[in-house]
Amino acid sequence: DIVMTQSPLSLPVTPGEPASISCRSSQSLLQSNGYNFLNWYLQKPGQSPQLLMYFGSTRASGVPDRFSGSGSGTDFTLKISRVEAEDVGIYYCMQARQTPWTFGQGTKVEIK
Amino acid sequence: QVQLVQSGAEVKKPGASVKVSCKASGYTFTTHSIHWVRQAPGQRLEWIGWINTGNGNTEYSQKFQGRVTLTRDTSATTAYMELNSLTSEDTAMYYCARRGDLDSWGQGALVTVSS
Repeated sequence: DIVMTQSPLSLPVTPGEPASISCRSSQSLLQSNGYNFLNWYLQKPGQSPQLLMYFGSTRASGVPDRFSGSGSGTDFTLKISRVEAEDVGIYYCMQARQTPWTFGQGTKVEIK
Repeated sequence: QVQLVQSGAEVKKPGASVKVSCKASGYTFTTHSIHWVRQAPGQRLEWIGWINTGNGNTEYSQKFQGRVTLTRDTSATTAYMELNSLTSEDTAMYYCARRGDLDSWGQGALVTVSS
């Protein structure tokens, strides 16, 4: 199975400041079609996960443009340009390159 | 709007089975797959498998192979996940989610396995 490793696991942030989460995979997530099969999800407190980003860098419908995704192969990053209070929760990366799909441990983002 | 509504919480004894439903609305049910993911307390999200709602084909994580069955009822626009031979390690929130990018999720169904 592909192992997904996120860092940091905890990220205290100040509103208005940027934030960055790293996700590494044990195998390349780049398919021959040029797409990276890496998604990002946010699970807000008491809610189900919600899709933020797919193919590593494409924002899902309705996701604010302060969120951006980058990376290729085995190294990926999710950035928030200016954190807002509503961005708190646990962020997960997930690989869909091969089954079984696997998730990172999660990064808990909280306001300082 | 797309909605996935799951059945309620269940309490089961070890060795029993559980069947969780996921009713879809707001889109054409047979055009998008349904995936199942679980989250045990303090653990990361775990992918269980998926069903092609059009033809009923399924794929399961090796971890659950032989113990899980995914089905669907197209007339009811509902997908089901049945998990057998439950142990305490199956205590978790079980989610259904739509299509390959998991763009919409159900609210979750808590399954508690306890003697």
